[in-house]
Amino acid sequence: DAGVTQSPTHLIKTRGQQVTLRCSPKSGHDTVSWYQQALGQGPQFIFQYYEEEERQRGNFPDRFSGHQFPNYSSELNVNALLLGDSALYLCASSQKPGRGEKLFFGSGTQLSVL
Amino acid sequence: EDQVTQSPEALRLQEGESSSLNCSYTVSGLRGLFWYRQDPGKGPEFLFTLYSAGEEKEKERLKATLTKKESFLHITAPKPEDSATYLCAVQEQAGGGADGLTFGKGTHLIIQP
Repeated sequence: DAGVTQSPTHLIKTRGQQVTLRCSPKSGHDTVSWYQQALGQGPQFIFQYYEEEERQRGNFPDRFSGHQFPNYSSELNVNALLLGDSALYLCASSQKPGRGEKLFFGSGTQLSVL
Repeated sequence: EDQVTQSPEALRLQEGESSSLNCSYTVSGLRGLFWYRQDPGKGPEFLFTLYSAGEEKEKERLKATLTKKESFLHITAPKPEDSATYLCAVQEQAGGGADGLTFGKGTHLIIQP
């Protein structure tokens, strides 16, 4: 049983460019959340998708957007990249949003912005 | 606004030397407190969820406890393979169904043979 898979594993972009990161949730999961983890910091919540809609959003600008497809997979898009966007981007899946659900994380996409 | 503070930032122990990691939190209403383990280059791995003060959970050499203001992760007779960063996170009780976790910065634990 495959867990959460993310692609690509590493990515290098320059300031001002746009990037798309992809995530396939664990089998049986229908909810996908995205987190940003800067070096030496804990993950920071970006947003959550359920039933193809954004349910909740953290304190991130509109440059960060997402999408969930009918097969529950998800994309994270970041426009007008800044140097400060360099981080590990983590996707997490769960069975329906709700109280204390156990999140399963992927290994992340390491994004470097030059 | 939620706040999660973990201490110490880093901890170096000898194999077999037991210790505790601390997670203090401030939140208007706690839905759940989570402990995760993260190895270098990997995503966090779920360890425990605690829901109410007084609750305790155990898994192998790890035991998590919860009070109204903090949680402890006790590590008994650790082995080198327990070396990792341990993350604490809280989920706020909210009528809107808010689910995002607020993480602390983690405790980097090194167990020396």
